[in-house]
Amino acid sequence: AQSVTQLDSQVPVFEEAPVELRCNYSSSVSVYLFWYVQYPNQGLQLLLKYLSGSTLVESINGFEAEFNKSQTSFHLRKPSVHISDTAEYFCAVSDPPPGNKLVFGAGTILRVKS
Amino acid sequence: NAGVTQTPKFRILKIGQSMTLQCTQDMNHNYMYWYRQDPGMGLKLIYYSVGAGITDKGEVPNGYNVSRSTTEDFPLRLELAAPSQTSVYFCASRDSGAYDEQFFGPGTRLTVL
Repeated sequence: AQSVTQLDSQVPVFEEAPVELRCNYSSSVSVYLFWYVQYPNQGLQLLLKYLSGSTLVESINGFEAEFNKSQTSFHLRKPSVHISDTAEYFCAVSDPPPGNKLVFGAGTILRVKS
Repeated sequence: NAGVTQTPKFRILKIGQSMTLQCTQDMNHNYMYWYRQDPGMGLKLIYYSVGAGITDKGEVPNGYNVSRSTTEDFPLRLELAAPSQTSVYFCASRDSGAYDEQFFGPGTRLTVL
């Protein structure tokens, strides 16, 4: 069975500082990995995904994640965070078809302080 | 497009009551999902559907039922509410392409007292 471990439940960081949110997965099949973001009192939105190809994937708002097969990791990074990045971030791995069910990690709350 | 809509936004139930959480999507997606979110636990899949008339259990289906009579609607039924079902419920949908993005609704916050 697939599983996802997010190593930090909360990450406090000052504005304009770099941040890394850690994610490790276990999977016995081909891996498809996702990061979702949940702003307060909202549903989840896709931030970025790795399906194949380049191991470094980027989002439109400056986040990036690197797929590392040997370390079974998919850590999320941003070189300079903003107050508006305050949210909960979920790492997820996808089951193969049919269904393509997502297995989520427990989430990491990113708190950006001024 | 409204995307994925859920009603109600909030609900308080007494133990043993029943209710239906509504989910509708207007993107003509075949795949739909129900999750529950508990603090520090991430999201757990309750049920999912790969098309009208086809549903299957997820990780935590006990105490819930679903139906999928149309492409647009995927209601979740709680028959005998229990305090353990206090949670935030999210509905999601996605297109049929392999590994397409799941689109989430805004959620229903349910409290069972």
